[in-house]
Amino acid sequence: DAGITQSPRHKVTETGTPVTLRCHQTENHRYMYWYRQDPGHGLRLIHYSYGVKDTDKGEVSDGYSVSRSKTEDFLLTLESATSSQTSVYFCASKDLRGPGNTIYFGEGSWLTVV
Amino acid sequence: EDQVTQSPEALRLQEGESSSLNCSYTVSGLRGLFWYRQDPGKGPEFLFTLYSAGEEKEKERLKATLTKKESFLHITAPKPEDSATYLCAVQGAETSGSRLTFGEGTQLTVNP
Repeated sequence: DAGITQSPRHKVTETGTPVTLRCHQTENHRYMYWYRQDPGHGLRLIHYSYGVKDTDKGEVSDGYSVSRSKTEDFLLTLESATSSQTSVYFCASKDLRGPGNTIYFGEGSWLTVV
Repeated sequence: EDQVTQSPEALRLQEGESSSLNCSYTVSGLRGLFWYRQDPGKGPEFLFTLYSAGEEKEKERLKATLTKKESFLHITAPKPEDSATYLCAVQGAETSGSRLTFGEGTQLTVNP
């Protein structure tokens, strides 16, 4: 358990508004990830970070941006929310010290764009 | 591009009825194959990592095995509390950021 907390856990927002999801981890993990999970697609990587201020795109990054100003915090921003971004968002972090390179997940943030 | 296919999509078992879930994968240099359990409304919970063909790992009623093309998650004498979605993921040697590529999961229901 990496002590990952996500906020908010649930949010309803209107199309066109910006939304920021926050991920906080307490284990000093270097790598952090944002995934989205949708029926028929499974978990897909949006963006990831390999250190403070070091980020890169995943496979579904369009319409999303991220920032990491501290090791423990990784923010995901939907610049102008669309209905296609209605999803469950999971933050994850990677433990290099644990049993084999394990990636641990948070509890998820449910986002509905109306 | 790394790919993972899980089968079946859904599986219903009676309590005590053993079975296996399949995860087929293609990857350029396997760094690790991961199994996760996900309960409704929760995040994925780590179960196992396998690194090389022939490797096996066990935890309670679960045993994961690995070949060069697929992994199996064997469930022996399952109980209703084993009901969940089981996710398989791979990490390829050529994948940046050590990220995982996931399958869509197998939804397991164990009836009492």
